[in-house]
Amino acid sequence: AQKITQTQPGMFVQEKEAVTLDCTYDTSDQSYGLFWYKQPSSGEMIFLIYQGSYDEQNATEGRYSLNFQKARKSANLVISASQLGDSAMYFCAMRGVNRDDKIIFGKGTRLHILP
Amino acid sequence: DSGVTQTPKHLITATGQRVTLRCSPRSGDLSVYWYQQSLDQGLQFLIQYYNGEERAKGNILERFSAQQFPDLHSELNLSSLELGDSALYFCASSPNYLSTDTQYFGPGTRLTVL
Repeated sequence: AQKITQTQPGMFVQEKEAVTLDCTYDTSDQSYGLFWYKQPSSGEMIFLIYQGSYDEQNATEGRYSLNFQKARKSANLVISASQLGDSAMYFCAMRGVNRDDKIIFGKGTRLHILP
Repeated sequence: DSGVTQTPKHLITATGQRVTLRCSPRSGDLSVYWYQQSLDQGLQFLIQYYNGEERAKGNILERFSAQQFPDLHSELNLSSLELGDSALYFCASSPNYLSTDTQYFGPGTRLTVL
């Protein structure tokens, strides 16, 4: 069965520092997609970044990058130069390629950026 | 703004009642997904529709049902509501059904069952 593990329930980081949010996954699929979403206190889910299992390069989107280590089954999110507005809940998610594959989410990491 | 719209934003109702949540996907997206987010269960996939047909089913209770209409909007019907159904219900959409498709989420409907 597919599984996503986020081991950091909460993190406190000083503004302007870089932060790494951990995500490990378990799947027997060869092809899958990995996603990160941000959920601020207002509640909406905001897509941040995507990494395909066959992508050779790590995905980047502005201040967000994904440190993808396929052999270790990890897909950590790196936020560079953190800002106060980055304070939110962050979810790692994965989806396989089969028809019945659903996107599954980790339990999330609550990130607090300190001024 | 993701382009996915959900109505209503908040819904307060009583146990035993029935409610309907509505979702309009992003322009051009054919897939609609429904999720339930509660404090104890986290974010749970309920059901997916693709171009009007059910494509995948998750942890959806028998008291819940959904459909996608020809104009691609979707409705999630929750009946015989229980206190435990109180949650944030998200709709998401994607262009197709591929694993590589990014799902864009709507703002959610917060359901409170009293």
